[in-house]
Amino acid sequence: AQSVTQLGSHVSVSEGALVLLRCNYSSSVPPYLFWYVQYPNQGLQLLLKYTTGATLVKGINGFEAEFKKSETSFHLTKPSAHMSDAAEYFCAVTILTGANNLFFGTGTRLTVIP
Amino acid sequence: DAMVIQNPRYQVTQFGKPVTLSCSQTLNHNVMYWYQQKSSQAPKLLFHYYDKDFNNEADTPDNFQSRRPNTSFCFLDIRSPGLGDAAMYLCATSRDPYYEQYFGPGTRLTVT
Repeated sequence: AQSVTQLGSHVSVSEGALVLLRCNYSSSVPPYLFWYVQYPNQGLQLLLKYTTGATLVKGINGFEAEFKKSETSFHLTKPSAHMSDAAEYFCAVTILTGANNLFFGTGTRLTVIP
Repeated sequence: DAMVIQNPRYQVTQFGKPVTLSCSQTLNHNVMYWYQQKSSQAPKLLFHYYDKDFNNEADTPDNFQSRRPNTSFCFLDIRSPGLGDAAMYLCATSRDPYYEQYFGPGTRLTVT
């Protein structure tokens, strides 16, 4: 069975500092990996995805993530935090066999300190 | 712009009074999903339609039903809402299974 672990339910960074949100997955087959962002009282917006190919993927709003198979990780980074990045971030995984469900991590709330 | 639309954005219903939430999409996607999201939690999949094929999650209560009359629309029916059903309900679509999902803005349901 597949699962997702997001380390740190709350992360605080100063404006302009590096953002690092951690995601580790468990899957017996190659996964598809996603990062979503959710602003208060809004739906989820896709930031980026990894399916196959290049392991460093770039997304919207200056975010990127690197798929590291050996570490079963897909951490999300942004070089310089902006106030508008404050939101809830969800890592998610799906696999190409069996049920096509998207398995979400428990989320990380990012606070940006001015 | 192609998008996923949910109506209403906020819904208040009384304990035990049936309520229907609506989702429409202009993406022409084959798959439509309904999620329940409670405060500070990840979305929980209730069910999804792959075209007309309905797929219910094993732990979705019978109180929750869904209809998909055509490609564009999907409805979530809660037959007898309880206080524990108060949550954000998210509709999502994807072109096909395993592709990224596109979410609507959600409907926040309050049960009084």
